[in-house]
Amino acid sequence: GDSVTQMEGPVTLSEEAFLTINCTYTATGYPSLFWYVQYPGEGLQLLLKATKADDKGSNKGFEATYRKETTSFHLEKGSVQVSDSAVYFCALTFKAAGNKLTFGGGTRVLVKP
Amino acid sequence: ETGVTQTPRHLVMGMTNKKSLKCEQHLGHNAMYWYKQSAKKPLELMFVYNFKEQTENNSVPSRFSPECPNSSHLFLHLHTLQPEDSALYLCASSQDEPGADTQYFGPGTRLTVL
Repeated sequence: GDSVTQMEGPVTLSEEAFLTINCTYTATGYPSLFWYVQYPGEGLQLLLKATKADDKGSNKGFEATYRKETTSFHLEKGSVQVSDSAVYFCALTFKAAGNKLTFGGGTRVLVKP
Repeated sequence: ETGVTQTPRHLVMGMTNKKSLKCEQHLGHNAMYWYKQSAKKPLELMFVYNFKEQTENNSVPSRFSPECPNSSHLFLHLHTLQPEDSALYLCASSQDEPGADTQYFGPGTRLTVL
């Protein structure tokens, strides 16, 4: 079946540091890929998405590129802030699967001032 | 109200109680979902409703009973729960049509079963 693997956290870094969270997927075909973010005490919010190979999703300084050849969708941000402290989830879906999302395990990021 | 709302935000119940979680979406979507988020476990899809019809039940125990009276409202009825059912229960909605594949989540209900 489909699966998403992302690096385990927690990831602890200082403000203005560079952040990378790795995400790879296993799926038959070409899914849509997502990054969701969950701030403390809140539900999930869509951060960015990409629907086909080589698409780049971006939002709030975060970027991720859909790499078909490596089945990856790594999340990056050049300069993190304390407010970026959250849990980040990589996910995939196939439209034919009725929009069922398959999530990775989540990566907790803690940014210290 | 905008987006997806859930009530209550926090719930503490005993194992013999009966309670219900409510979700409402204000986005005009026609698909709604229940997820369970437990500590140290991936998000688990529980139920999916499309156009008010249940299209997915991911082997969820019968002590969880969903209800979708219309495309804007989704309930999760709880009875005789176990302590291991303590978790964050998330509701989401989406539009089931070509090109639309994004789910929008509510803030969740934090459930504690004593």
